[in-house]
Amino acid sequence: SQQGEEDPQALSIQEGENATMNCSYKTSINNLQWYRQNSGRGLVHLILIRSNEREKHSGRLRVTLDTSKKSSSLLITASRAADTASYFCATGDDKIIFGKGTRLHILP
Amino acid sequence: DTAVSQTPKYLVTQMGNDKSIKCEQNLGHDTMYWYKQDSKKFLKIMFSYNNKELIINETVPNRFSPKSPDKAHLNLHINSLELGDSAVYFCASSRMNTEAFFGQGTRLTVV
Repeated sequence: SQQGEEDPQALSIQEGENATMNCSYKTSINNLQWYRQNSGRGLVHLILIRSNEREKHSGRLRVTLDTSKKSSSLLITASRAADTASYFCATGDDKIIFGKGTRLHILP
Repeated sequence: DTAVSQTPKYLVTQMGNDKSIKCEQNLGHDTMYWYKQDSKKFLKIMFSYNNKELIINETVPNRFSPKSPDKAHLNLHINSLELGDSAVYFCASSRMNTEAFFGQGTRLTVV
């Protein structure tokens, strides 16, 4: 089944630096999504990129998609303490499957 | 107004009991889901359901059953609870090929 796999599993950076997380998946997709989960909370959708798109921006977020390599990346620029969370990529149409997530920690 | 709401937020119960978690969405979505998040934060899909089809993850024990009284509700029933069922359960909804909206989760503790 389709499933994203994030890399790295955990990432700690200084506030103000950029954070990059990667996602690889196994089968062809119609779209790929990124979500954020703050500790003890539900998931919040960040951005959806369709299979015919290569790059998408939303505020400080930039997502790229390379369907030939079956991979995507999420870049958070100028990180803030509030960006500390787990980030998940997800694929699927009628059954949205999540990867294991990247735990991002922004150091003050 | 909460888009996807699930109750209760916390549930502590003894092994062997039967319990239900309720989920409601007011977004007019046609697909609803139940996910289980374990202690390692891995999100595992349990069920995907729209008004036409129920898709069950084959690894989910048949003690778990979804019940959908209408398009806006998908409740999760769990029979004969076991210690390993302790986790956070999330309900979500979406339209086909679009983003999913999640509830705040139900932390189930089986003692």
